[in-house]
Amino acid sequence: AQSVTQPDIHITVSEGASLELRCNYSYGATPYLFWYVQSPGQGLQLLLKYFSGDTLVQGIKGFEAEFKRSQSSFNLRKPSVHWSDAAEYFCAVGAVTGGGNKLTFGTGTQLKVEL
Amino acid sequence: DGGITQSPKYLFRKEGQNVTLSCEQNLNHDAMYWYRQDPGQGLRLIYYSQIVNDFQKGDIAEGYSVSREKKESFPLTVTSAQKNPTAFYLCASSIDDEQYFGPGTRLTVT
Repeated sequence: AQSVTQPDIHITVSEGASLELRCNYSYGATPYLFWYVQSPGQGLQLLLKYFSGDTLVQGIKGFEAEFKRSQSSFNLRKPSVHWSDAAEYFCAVGAVTGGGNKLTFGTGTQLKVEL
Repeated sequence: DGGITQSPKYLFRKEGQNVTLSCEQNLNHDAMYWYRQDPGQGLRLIYYSQIVNDFQKGDIAEGYSVSREKKESFPLTVTSAQKNPTAFYLCASSIDDEQYFGPGTRLTVT
């Protein structure tokens, strides 16, 4: 069965500092990997996704993630954090089910940005 | 504007009552999903549907039921058999393996 681990429940960074959120997955084949962001009381917005090809993926809002098969990781990075990045971030791994993609989510990392 | 709507945003019910959460999409997506979100537990899949008139149980389907009579609609009923129904419920739809989420419904059962 597929699973996702986000080892950091909370992270606090200063505005302008760099950010790395960790994600480790377990999956039997080449995974489909996603990062979503959620503001309080809202739905989830897709930041970026990895299906195949280049292991460094660029997303929206200046985020990027790197797929490392040897480490079963898909860490999210941003070179300079803005106060508006404060939110909860979810990593997810997907299993294609033929017409739909069944996702398994991590428990999330809450990001706080200090001004 | 294309998107997913969930209504209402907040819902309150007494214990023992069934309640139905609405999810509508105008994205023309075939697949739709229901997730439950609890603090510190991420999102857990309740039910999903890949096509009209067909749906499958997710990881935590007990106490829930769904229907998929129309492509654009996927309502979720939280029955009285669900032991801990208070949660934030998210609906999603997908095409080409990318899921799009609605704004969610927060259900409180007392």
